[in-house]
Amino acid sequence: NAGVTQTPKFQVLKTGQSMTLQCAQDMNHNSMYWYRQDPGMGLRLIYYSASEGTTDKGEVPNGYNVSRLNKREFSLRLESAAPSQTSVYFCASSVGGGPYEQYFGPGTRLTVT
Amino acid sequence: KQEVTQIPAALSVPEGENLVLNCSFTDSAIYNLQWFRQDPGKGLTSLLLIQSSQREQTSGRLNASLDKSSGRSTLYIAASQPGDSATYLCAVSDSNYQLIWGAGTKLIIKP
Repeated sequence: NAGVTQTPKFQVLKTGQSMTLQCAQDMNHNSMYWYRQDPGMGLRLIYYSASEGTTDKGEVPNGYNVSRLNKREFSLRLESAAPSQTSVYFCASSVGGGPYEQYFGPGTRLTVT
Repeated sequence: KQEVTQIPAALSVPEGENLVLNCSFTDSAIYNLQWFRQDPGKGLTSLLLIQSSQREQTSGRLNASLDKSSGRSTLYIAASQPGDSATYLCAVSDSNYQLIWGAGTKLIIKP
């Protein structure tokens, strides 16, 4: 099992460019999450998908959109990147939307200039 | 609003010492508390999960305790090794089942 995979690992964008971060899990989990991690701060939830076909906003959703493509895949899109979106992005999955253990991908380091 | 704090932000100790990392939270209405390890350039690895009804969990040289009433958790690492060097994060699952995170403690074990 690969667990949770994310692509790309690194990305540099110019202000105003768009991109999609990809995430996939092979654990047959129902719930998936996108977080961002900034220096000196804890992870903050951007969006989550409690089950296939549903998505909900987290703490910091502005500037992002998500798509739960199927049970395995959950993508995060930046339509018009801003320097404030420079961060490390983590995808995670869990069995369900309750207080279950979450499993994390290796992260995508995004720099917006 | 739930807030999670980890003190200290960084800690450096000689190899072989026992050490304690601290995590505090402001709202005792949590479902569970998790401790994670983060290595540079890698994802997060779950170390221990303590349900709100539990007082502690153990895994090898790691022991995590939870005191909900005081809003505190500690991660005890016995006989520290250089391989334990990493950033340790705690997170609580709030009433909406969402994880609220501390900023982490960066641990360096000196050989």
